[in-house]
Amino acid sequence: DVKVTQSSRYLVKRTGEKVFLECVQDMDHENMFWYRQDPGLGLRLIYFSYDVKMKEKGDIPEGYSVSREKKERFSLILESASTNQTSMYLCASSLDGASGGQGQYFGPGTRLTVT
Amino acid sequence: GDSVTQMEGPVTLSEEAFLTINCTYTATGYPSLFWYVQYPGEGLQLLLKATKADDKGSNKGFEATYRKETTSFHLEKGSVQVSDSAVYFCALSDANGGYQKVTFGTGTKLQVIP
Repeated sequence: DVKVTQSSRYLVKRTGEKVFLECVQDMDHENMFWYRQDPGLGLRLIYFSYDVKMKEKGDIPEGYSVSREKKERFSLILESASTNQTSMYLCASSLDGASGGQGQYFGPGTRLTVT
Repeated sequence: GDSVTQMEGPVTLSEEAFLTINCTYTATGYPSLFWYVQYPGEGLQLLLKATKADDKGSNKGFEATYRKETTSFHLEKGSVQVSDSAVYFCALSDANGGYQKVTFGTGTKLQVIP
């Protein structure tokens, strides 16, 4: 089975801090994604990557950046955390397209609180 | 742009009741359709999928049929259990500007009571 792991389940940071969220997948998937999940808004795509060192903006990239130095690892960076970035962050990976007909595999999520 | 509309929750059912969660979509292309499930404290898991019209996806007693004429992909289960309590997301995947983009609905929370 595909396994997607995220570095932390819960994280509390202060306003202005630089925050790193790490995601690792073990199935050699080409594509990786970062979403945030907020009540009533569903999942919103922040960034995705279809290859090492490649990245594309999603629907809400402002305030975030990403890094993909190795195929299995995709990092989300909050350059200067703000309270409106308090959310659940979900990492996902897929073998084809942005899912094609196969679907995405998700990590357990990181609940980030910015105070 | 693409969009997915789900019925608002929460949906509360007694154990062994019949479940329907409605999902309709709009898409510019010919999308693949999915249902994902999120149990408390976990990430999303793919529940079932359908890639073309009239396909029926099924898994763990859940079913959904890709209806192109009504642009719908309603989730059904004949007899729910307490362990089915979770949030269910309908999603579509569509080619958009050269890559496949996934659009999720806002989720429907299901509560099953004994």
